[in-house]
Amino acid sequence: QITLKESSPTLVKPTQTLTLTCTFSGFSLSTSGVGVGWIRQPPGKALEWLALIYWDDDKRYSPSLKTGLTITKDTSKNQVVLTLTNMDPVDTATYYCAHYGSGNNYFDYWGQGTLVTVSS
Amino acid sequence: QSVLTQPPSVSGVPGQRVTISCTGSSSNIGTGYDVHWYQQLPGTAPKLLIYGNSNRPSGVPARFSGSKSGTSASLAITGLQAEDEADYYCQSYDSSLSEVFGGGTKLTVL
Repeated sequence: QITLKESSPTLVKPTQTLTLTCTFSGFSLSTSGVGVGWIRQPPGKALEWLALIYWDDDKRYSPSLKTGLTITKDTSKNQVVLTLTNMDPVDTATYYCAHYGSGNNYFDYWGQGTLVTVSS
Repeated sequence: QSVLTQPPSVSGVPGQRVTISCTGSSSNIGTGYDVHWYQQLPGTAPKLLIYGNSNRPSGVPARFSGSKSGTSASLAITGLQAEDEADYYCQSYDSSLSEVFGGGTKLTVL
């Protein structure tokens, strides 16, 4: 059974760096073809893909947000970490991590999401 | 502005058939990349509904179906039920090396 769970601070101040952690079980990020992605959703708005990391440490980022994002993995801890620098109130959103199907380009298992508010 | 365009809202009465469109371009759907659909019930995380244009994961009712043609894709729901009231999102891959989502469609069951 694949499960994912996000953790993060609930409130960050503008210009601070946000660190999001995704802890998962039921699969290994060392298995060929597997990936974990991050997707966010501002309140009342659409889903927005942020980043993706693959089993072989290949990393992909949203072209529009690339400079402020860093994704890493710790295979031994079954964790994926996403950092976003220079946070702004427009970054207020629910942040989801999701399993990226082996050999497929879709997200088949999602975490419950974590709401992050950016405010001074 | 989302890369994939969906109607903001659709509605239907119980038992009716509704469709939701997802329009892309030659850099994503038109290139041949698959389209996937997600259902997001109020206050919950998205759930994979259709993958690979027309395939249903285990547990998804056969009332849900997907198709793709050219630069567009569609999600069809037949025998509409009250529990289908949710937001629906399409997703594909873009030649800019990124995953892309549609702007979402709110389905209201009247």
